[in-house]
Amino acid sequence: QVQLQESGPGLVKPSETLSLTCTVSGDSITNYHWSWIRQSPGKGLEWIGYIYYSGTTTYNPSLKSRVTISVDTPKNQFFLRLSSVTAADTAVYYCARDGSGGYGKFDYWGQGTLVTVSS
Amino acid sequence: DIQVTQSPSSVSASLGDRVTITCRASQNIGAWLAWYQQKPGKPPKLLIFAAFRLESGVPSRFSGSRSGTDFTLTISSLQPDDFATYYCQQANSFPWTFGQGTKVEVK
Repeated sequence: QVQLQESGPGLVKPSETLSLTCTVSGDSITNYHWSWIRQSPGKGLEWIGYIYYSGTTTYNPSLKSRVTISVDTPKNQFFLRLSSVTAADTAVYYCARDGSGGYGKFDYWGQGTLVTVSS
Repeated sequence: DIQVTQSPSSVSASLGDRVTITCRASQNIGAWLAWYQQKPGKPPKLLIFAAFRLESGVPSRFSGSRSGTDFTLTISSLQPDDFATYYCQQANSFPWTFGQGTKVEVK
């Protein structure tokens, strides 16, 4: 059974960088595209971007200047870094598998991690 | 960005009711639309992809259809486990975007 688990700090100060890890078990990270998605009361569900194991990425243009998604294939993990955060970045952050080869079908999700931006 | 507009924002229904939720895309997205179910404190769960294809393990009371840029999720006979919030998501072009959600509540 495929499982994804997000981890990282739950509190980040404004202007600092949010860093999260998604650990994948039950499947090789080399088989699919892997996304980060966030959910906040104000903006609903927002796709942040995805990565393929080769390192190829695609980002949401609204966040592109601040986002980096990377992958560690031997550890079966991928990562999110979001710089210069503000209160608007407070959200539950999910990692998800795209089961359709990069065509936006999110068939497995992590449980989500709440990240609060506050001083 | 392609906007996907869901309606209604909430619906009150009883067990056994037929429930229909609509998602309208701001431009042609072909059949690149998925539907998810979300319960409080849980991640979204994929129900339907490519407009009408049922994800493995999802009950057959869920179905999807498309007419142009209008998409519909139908629950043929509402069950207790179906009270939740439903989202559509377009996967035709980047950035992939989600609808604002439809909450199915007890009448």
